[in-house]
Parts: sequence; C-alpha cells; structure tokens
Amino acid sequence: AQSVAQPEDQVNVAEGNPLTVKCTYSVSGNPYLFWYVQYPNRGLQFLLKYITGDNLVKGSYGFEAEFNKSQTSFHLKKPSALVSDSALYFCAVRDISGTYKYIFGTGTRLKVLA
Amino acid sequence: EPEVTQTPSHQVTQMGQEVILRCVPISNHLYFYWYRQILGQKVEFLVSFYNNEISEKSEIFDDQFSVERPDGSNFTLKIRSTKLEDSAMYFCASVTGGRYEQYFGPGTRLTVT
Repeated sequence: AQSVAQPEDQVNVAEGNPLTVKCTYSVSGNPYLFWYVQYPNRGLQFLLKYITGDNLVKGSYGFEAEFNKSQTSFHLKKPSALVSDSALYFCAVRDISGTYKYIFGTGTRLKVLA
Repeated sequence: EPEVTQTPSHQVTQMGQEVILRCVPISNHLYFYWYRQILGQKVEFLVSFYNNEISEKSEIFDDQFSVERPDGSNFTLKIRSTKLEDSAMYFCASVTGGRYEQYFGPGTRLTVT
C-alpha cells in the first residue's frame, strides 16, 4: 500500500534561516509526490510536485523539494524562511493503482520566528 | 484564475439530520474528491469520483455518505443522518487530466450538535 510519513509534528526555524520539512514515502513503482500548504481556516494550496525528471523541483513562494529515490524521501526546502511561511504543510502521494486516490501525510506545522 | 468553490462555508445541524455540502470544481477538471479534516489535523480521504462514478472510497465513507454530480458542474456530498463525530472541515478538490495536482476549495465547516 502507498503511504507517506511526515516525522515531525512541528518545525521551528528563525526568519532568514533555511528550512526543511521532511517527508518519506512508500510506494510500489514510480511515485507521484506533492507538497501542499494550508494557512489557518483555508483550503490546501498546491506548492510543487515530482512526477519525473530532475530530482530538484521548484515550486511556489520560493519552495523547492528534492526527490531522493534511494532514501525514499521528498523533503521540502526553502533557502531563507519568512514569518509568512508559518503554516501547516502536507506531503502527499498519488496512488498509482488506478483509483486516482491521493494519500496525505499527517502534516507538519512550520513556525518561523521573527 | 479559476478556483474551486464550496457552499456553505459553515453549516450547523442537529444530530440525525441530513446535510448536503456543495462544491463547484474547476470547469475542465475530470477527477473530483472529498476530504475531511478534524480540528486542523490530518487530511482524511473520503471518496474519489471520475466519469460519473465513485472510483475509490475510504472506510469512513459508509452508507450514510453519498456523492453526486447532478448537473455537470456541481459536486455534492450528502450525509444522511449526521453524527457528532461528523463535525469537521470538509474539502472538495478537483484535478484536470494529465496534471495530477489537486485544487482544493476553501472548505465547509460542519458542526453537528
């Protein structure tokens, strides 16, 4: 069965410092991986995806993620955090068995401190 | 930019009552989803819908739940007899063919009293 894990419930980082939000996955076959961000009382917003190609994918708001097949990871990164990046971040994988289902991680709350 | 819309934004209902949550997906999208989220925690998959039928449903999506795409634009989630534990945020999402990323609506907060 496909799954994703976000090992950290919360990540704190100082403004201006680099940030990393971790995600590992377990899939059979090639994974379709996604990151979403959720601000308070809002729906999830798509940030970036890995389907194929370059292992480093760039997305919205200066975020990027690195696909690492050997470590089955897809960590979200940003070189310089902003206070406005504080939000809930979800990693997701698309089920490839033909059901069109997406499986979400448990979420990581990012807090950027001024 | 087109977006997914959901109505109402907040629904309060009594236990045992039926509720219908409405979503208007982005017009050229083909795949539709309902999720729920309790107290800003994990996002739980309920159901996926493609080609006018359910393609997958979770164990949460029991006989009390149903979905419909009645007129080619709206996508509804019905809960026949609400329970206290149905209180949550319900999100609709849609995906266009060949792109894979989901676009989410702003959610409906359902409160069952």
